[in-house]
Formats: sequence, structure tokens, C-alpha cells
Amino acid sequence: SAVISQKPSRDICQRGTSLTIQCQVDSQVTMMFWYRQQPGQSLTLIATANQGSEATYESGFVIDKFPISRPNLTFSTLTVSNMSPEDSSIYLCSVRAELAKNIQYFGAGTRLSVL
Amino acid sequence: QKEVEQNSGPLSVPEGAIASLNCTYSDRGSQSFFWYRQYSGKSPELIMFIYSNGDKEDGRFTAQLNKASQYVSLLIRDSQPSDSATYLCAVNVRGGGNKLTFGTGTQLKVEL
Repeated sequence: SAVISQKPSRDICQRGTSLTIQCQVDSQVTMMFWYRQQPGQSLTLIATANQGSEATYESGFVIDKFPISRPNLTFSTLTVSNMSPEDSSIYLCSVRAELAKNIQYFGAGTRLSVL
Repeated sequence: QKEVEQNSGPLSVPEGAIASLNCTYSDRGSQSFFWYRQYSGKSPELIMFIYSNGDKEDGRFTAQLNKASQYVSLLIRDSQPSDSATYLCAVNVRGGGNKLTFGTGTQLKVEL
């Protein structure tokens, strides 16, 4: 499986500010995903990030709120913009394993608290 | 109806027993099925995947898939306290591309 480094691991932010989360993979991967996991809940997909194209957002998530970059095959960022306390959550990046049907591996996650 | 359903638990089993975790899914065309383990405060860790009907065994873990009945289960033999975690079922639904849809997870507690 790929080694996925995600940072920051946690942060406490003020309302109205933005935070950019980075996800670095130790090998080239075609597909990366960003998820949100609210306290006590399961994972909700925010968007799929493919290199060389715009991210594809799921229903309920918009680019203005969660802009994503995917500049190359080993790196992606997710920005949480104009934060409110409702954005307090764990944000996870994952990568689809190459040559393995639909298997995804997860980074360690970013625990975000918005005051 | 949710696309992927799991009993939230907690499911409590004594140490050494078999833990049985179940997951049902709504899309009959689903192709790939996954079990992730998530310890509190940690990210999900893939423990099993299964694509075909029947059983797939890996150490103490067995995944069982029944596409006709639209369920997938995970058996953990000789349960250990270290198995205490939330187990997430994930499905690649038809038309979903490479996306996974996750259930809400079942909390397993293995008691001494």
C-alpha cells in the first residue's frame, strides 16, 4: 500500500479563516479523494481529485467552500474556506491503489476545530 | 433506504469468541466490497476486500459475500481486545465510478 502523509494532523482555527490541508503520497496515483468525518459519523466523500482536471464534487459540497488542487500525481490540497464551527471535523485524504480494483488507502487525517 | 447499512452496535463479544459483523447494500449491481477497521481517533485501515460471491479468508478474518441477498459480512475468529474498534463497510456502487460509499460502522467491543 502507498504511504500517505497528511498535514497538519490537527489545528484549531478561528471562524471566518481558511485552512489548507496537504496530502502527499510516496508513489504516483491516478485518483485521490477527500472525505469528511464528523464526530461519531461515518465518512462522507467531499470530492475526487484527478491530476490534470478539475475536482469532481459530491452533492452538498462546492468548490468555493472546498477548493482542491492536484498539481501532480503525488500531491493534493484541500482548503476549507471561511470556516464556521460546523466545519469542525476530521478531514481525510485517500488514494486509490493502482492496479487494484477500487481499493483505497487513507492518510492519518486532519482534526479540525473551529472556534 | 440507505445505500449501505450497518448496525451501529456496540457489539460485545467475549475474548476468544467469533465476532460477526453484517452489512447490507441496496444497489444490486455493486461490484466491490470492503471492510475497514477504525480505532478511536485514527483513520480507517483496510482489512479485507471481496469481489466474488462466497468466502475469503485472511488469518483470523473471513469476509462473506452474498450478492443475491445483498449482504456482506465479516467474521473475526478468536477475538482479541485489540480488535475493539469500529468496523466500516464500504461498497463500490454501480455507476459510482471509483467512489466508495461507506456505512455508518459497527462498534465492536471485545471483553476480557
